[in-house]
Amino acid sequence: DTGVSQNPRHKITKRGQNVTFRCDPISEHNRLYWYRQTLGQGPEFLTYFQNEAQLEKSRLLSDRFSAERPKGSFSTLEIQRTEQGDSAMYLCASSRPDRDSNTEAFFGQGTRLTVV
Amino acid sequence: GESVGLHLPTLSVQEGDNSIINCAYSNSASDYFIWYKQESGKGPQFIIDIRSNMDKRQGQRVTVLLNKTVKHLSLQIAATQPGDSAVYFCAERLILTGNQFYFGTGTSLTVIP
Repeated sequence: DTGVSQNPRHKITKRGQNVTFRCDPISEHNRLYWYRQTLGQGPEFLTYFQNEAQLEKSRLLSDRFSAERPKGSFSTLEIQRTEQGDSAMYLCASSRPDRDSNTEAFFGQGTRLTVV
Repeated sequence: GESVGLHLPTLSVQEGDNSIINCAYSNSASDYFIWYKQESGKGPQFIIDIRSNMDKRQGQRVTVLLNKTVKHLSLQIAATQPGDSAVYFCAERLILTGNQFYFGTGTSLTVIP
């Protein structure tokens, strides 16, 4: 399978616990994105990496959220002290380098987080 | 701020008919658009894209039309099949604000056999 891989697919956690998700992008893609999607809504941008550099962060990304891409390949998204409002689908996407920035982003299947 | 919205939240069509899903965007600086299909429990799947220097692009059974004058995007699906039932999102990229895509709420397409 050469698509974007995310794990776990599902995570149930108690409020206040920390969780970490992993994303493995398509191998030749140097751009990696994290999005969050709640039921009935479109994905909302969280953050973006080009190689190992985190270039953009949404205001949605509170200080409880941190993302890393240490070697420019896989990425992790950690949520500390989870709250019920963090329950959502967390989507990762990657895209190849393009001078014009006009390249499609391919999404993984997402990690469904439920905070109880 | 920018916004991407869809005219209709739900659409039902008979199998074999053509489907048209519409999307309005508010930022004239957007220069790249993508249509995604999302089935329940899955991530968005790329369907077709279009750059702002084009007004039409065709794929296999799908056509995207871009009208920059009225900031309108549409997705046409020919001979709609039951497997086309899903939520469809349009997404825009504003090159001036970076590399993220902005998504609308989505249109749920139901194909009636």
